[in-house]
Amino acid sequence: QQPVQSPQAVILREGEDAVINCSSSKALYSVHWYRQKHGEAPVFLMILLKGGEQKGHEKISASFNEKKQQSSLYLTASQLSYSGTYFCGTVSGGSNYKLTFGKGTLLTVNP
Amino acid sequence: DGGITQSPKYLFRKEGQNVTLSCEQNLNHDAMYWYRQDPGQGLRLIYYSQIVNDFQKGDIAEGYSVSREKKESFPLTVTSAQKNPTAFYLCASSISQALGYTFGSGTRLTVV
Repeated sequence: QQPVQSPQAVILREGEDAVINCSSSKALYSVHWYRQKHGEAPVFLMILLKGGEQKGHEKISASFNEKKQQSSLYLTASQLSYSGTYFCGTVSGGSNYKLTFGKGTLLTVNP
Repeated sequence: DGGITQSPKYLFRKEGQNVTLSCEQNLNHDAMYWYRQDPGQGLRLIYYSQIVNDFQKGDIAEGYSVSREKKESFPLTVTSAQKNPTAFYLCASSISQALGYTFGSGTRLTVV
């Protein structure tokens, strides 16, 4: 079952912040985050493993609440290059390590 | 540089014909995956392989077949049984479940 991402789309001005959420109905082993530019391959951003950790990558960070089966991606002081579609992918316990992606969140950063 | 090569980038086929999409990696990754991407649907798993000569069905395997005879290669065949084959197909690989996936640049298949 696909994780649910919200919002479906968000429009920002350069320098603004955004949060993208990902939730699952199943107990999660890990959560992946990817960004895809139009017509290109998804690019790996980060992975959060079971344990509630928070990870960061420049001005992009994420948290993982395994009790709520949720993850959030935080983009601070957005740049034009942050534009794209963000996907979360989840691995559930007992899924034989299948990575199931959400439908994506389209982020547009304008000057 | 290491990476995943998918070929061709664009592919056109007539309805009723089988077609094979190529995926080659030189990353020495054990696991390989095929995803299908449709507008607004995200990426859906077709097949995956965690080791040579072994593969498992994903969520939408009907109408597709794969083989994994070599570690580097994981070709996907879209058969005539696939009812709606027009889509963007992405191949990926990973070395560990604790690390992220590396994706190829994709093949856009159009069946007319």
